[in-house]
Amino acid sequence: GAVVSQHPSWVICKSGTSVKIECRSLDFQATTMFWYRQFPKQSLMLMATSNEGSKATYEQGVEKDKFLINHASLTLSTLTVTSAHPEDSSFYICSARDRRKEGSGNTEAFFGQGTRLTVV
Amino acid sequence: AQTVTQSQPEMSVQEAETVTLSCTYDTSESNYYLFWYKQPPSRQMILVIRQEAYKQQNATENRFSVNFQKAAKSFSLKISDSQLGDTAMYFCAFMGETGANNLFFGTGTRLTVIP
Repeated sequence: GAVVSQHPSWVICKSGTSVKIECRSLDFQATTMFWYRQFPKQSLMLMATSNEGSKATYEQGVEKDKFLINHASLTLSTLTVTSAHPEDSSFYICSARDRRKEGSGNTEAFFGQGTRLTVV
Repeated sequence: AQTVTQSQPEMSVQEAETVTLSCTYDTSESNYYLFWYKQPPSRQMILVIRQEAYKQQNATENRFSVNFQKAAKSFSLKISDSQLGDTAMYFCAFMGETGANNLFFGTGTRLTVIP
C-alpha cells in the first residue's frame, strides 16, 4: 500500500514556541491531505483539509491563525502549531489519498503514523 | 451533517471466538462509503474493510466481514476467529461522495482479545 510519512513522531516544546509537523506521501501524489487531532481515548476530529496550491479549509472552531497549514507540493503538507500552549498537547494525524485514484471509486485514505505533541 | 455512532466503548472476546462491533450513521447523501479502521497501540490507523453504499453485497476481508443494512443505516463489523493481534481501537468511519471527501469517525470501540 501507499505510504504516508509523518515527522516528527513526537515532540516536546515550551509554551509560546511554534512547532511544525510534516506529512509526506512517499510513493504517490496527493492533491488533498487531511489533518486530524486525537485526544486521549477519543476519536479523530478533522481539523482542516489541506489543498495543494491553495488555502486550507478549516473546520468550525479550528483557529486558522493558530494552526497554519501549507501544502506547497503534491507530496508535502505541513501543520504549524503557533504559540503553542499546554492545551494544544495532543496527537495529530494526517492522511492523504492518491490523486490518480480520485474520482475512480478507490477511496482508501492512507494515514501517517501520527505526531504526539506535548507542550510544557 | 454526517454523524457516526459507536455505542460500545469497550468489548472483549476470547481468542478464537467471534465478536461483532456496532456502528450506526446518519446522512442525507444517497451514495457514500463506510469504513472500519483499526488503531493498535502504535496509533497507526489501518484500514480493515470498506463498503460502498451502492453495493448490496456485504464486504468481506478474510476474518473480517460487515453487516451493512442501508435502510437501517447500520454497519457492523464481525471479527471471526479472533486473534491477540486484533486487540486495538476500532473506528467506524463515513465518507460522502460530495464535498471534500474527508472521513467522519465514530467514537471508537476498544476491543480486547483475551488469551
